Amino acid sequence: DIQLTQSPSTLSASLGDSVTITCRASRSASKWLAWYQQRPGKAPKLLIYAASTLVSGVPSRFSGSGSGTEFTLTISGLQPSDFATYYCQHYNSLLSFGGGTTVEFK
Amino acid sequence: QVQLVESGGGVVQPGGSLRVSCAVSGFDFETYAMAWVRQAPGKGLEWVAVTSYDGRLKHYADSVKGRFTISRDNSKNTLYFEMNRLTIEDTAVYYCARVGEVGLTSYFDNWGQGTLVTVSS
Repeated sequence: DIQLTQSPSTLSASLGDSVTITCRASRSASKWLAWYQQRPGKAPKLLIYAASTLVSGVPSRFSGSGSGTEFTLTISGLQPSDFATYYCQHYNSLLSFGGGTTVEFK
Repeated sequence: QVQLVESGGGVVQPGGSLRVSCAVSGFDFETYAMAWVRQAPGKGLEWVAVTSYDGRLKHYADSVKGRFTISRDNSKNTLYFEMNRLTIEDTAVYYCARVGEVGLTSYFDNWGQGTLVTVSS
């Protein structure tokens, strides 16, 4: 199985900040990585798949990059609705999630 | 629009059984693989089971293999999850999710609101 490690586990930021979350894979995940946003008490929402493909309707301030073993999710200009927990997920032959990164108000 | 609505959660004693369901609408259910993903209280996401569009292929996480069974009734647009020999560690919100691309292993592009299963004596 591919293990995914997200960092940081918690990120403190202010409105308008740009933040980057990293997801590292224990071995190559190629480009088969997705990112989800989960607000408290809500179901996860798919933001990005194939490492960098933005889901239709997701604001363009969200972007993903990377391949192989290192991936990043960047939010450019934090909005109130962006304070949430973010998860990466590897897919292809097996499925696994990262441990999550919570973006909180500074 | 795409809707997935879980039901059937509740409190069950250790060693007991429970079946949760997921009724879907707004898309052609019989053409999509479907999955169950769970989240223990205050914890992260854990994929637990996936089934092909026709129910013939199924994969399970090691944590539930041999105890839980995923199934579907395409005539009723409903996904099921039969959980047996439940333990306290199975306490979680159980989400049904639509698999986004062809095949069993892909991202999940639509999720239900979840149903809480609590295993407690």
